[in-house]
Amino acid sequence: DTAVSQTPKYLVTQMGNDKSIKCEQNLGHDTMYWYKQDSKKFLKIMFSYNNKELIINETVPNRFSPKSPDKAHLNLHINSLELGDSAVYFCASSSRGVPTEAFFGQGTRLTVV
Amino acid sequence: AQSVTQLGSHVSVSEGALVLLRCNYSSSVPPYLFWYVQYPNQGLQLLLKYTSAATLVKGINGFEAEFKKSETSFHLTKPSAHMSDAAEYFCAVSAPTGANNLFFGTGTRLTVIP
Repeated sequence: DTAVSQTPKYLVTQMGNDKSIKCEQNLGHDTMYWYKQDSKKFLKIMFSYNNKELIINETVPNRFSPKSPDKAHLNLHINSLELGDSAVYFCASSSRGVPTEAFFGQGTRLTVV
Repeated sequence: AQSVTQLGSHVSVSEGALVLLRCNYSSSVPPYLFWYVQYPNQGLQLLLKYTSAATLVKGINGFEAEFKKSETSFHLTKPSAHMSDAAEYFCAVSAPTGANNLFFGTGTRLTVIP
């Protein structure tokens, strides 16, 4: 069983569209994250959720909105997609407490054309 | 605030040679440090982590790293490179409080020459 799974793996869409990426973890973790990896491979935290509560929101455009229906899922909604949103988006999860390692999904490669 | 700097975006070694990937950290509190590996078109996999216990940390696939507070470093090493080690390696830091977010370095691509 995949610990952290994301769908879709690839997403190609036009500018201005709205899209969602889904993430599910079966590790029983309390905290889930979204990271963005740009074309230079740089990884940056976007959001983290703990028990369905947003606990940190880095300075990302408000076109991005995380939604967590339960602690096993954290979906990422993106409105009005822009060319600069093209990147690989990784979902991750970790357990409560420190130190904690994050388990990552396989990533979703988003291409905006 | 926490951050890490990885020196060298590309490192090439011969098969069987020593692997050394450099990471320096900056943290206002005692940090937790991690090394992750990313194979092509895959997610990140944890290699090892420093949790303020032993300063020499052993990880998977024969990798290890040593935490040196005086040098603010956490370099990754492996005595003998294998072809399968070719990948992107990321050093990351998190704070012992708060959301446990990871702050990543810019990555080092390791190439292993046969």
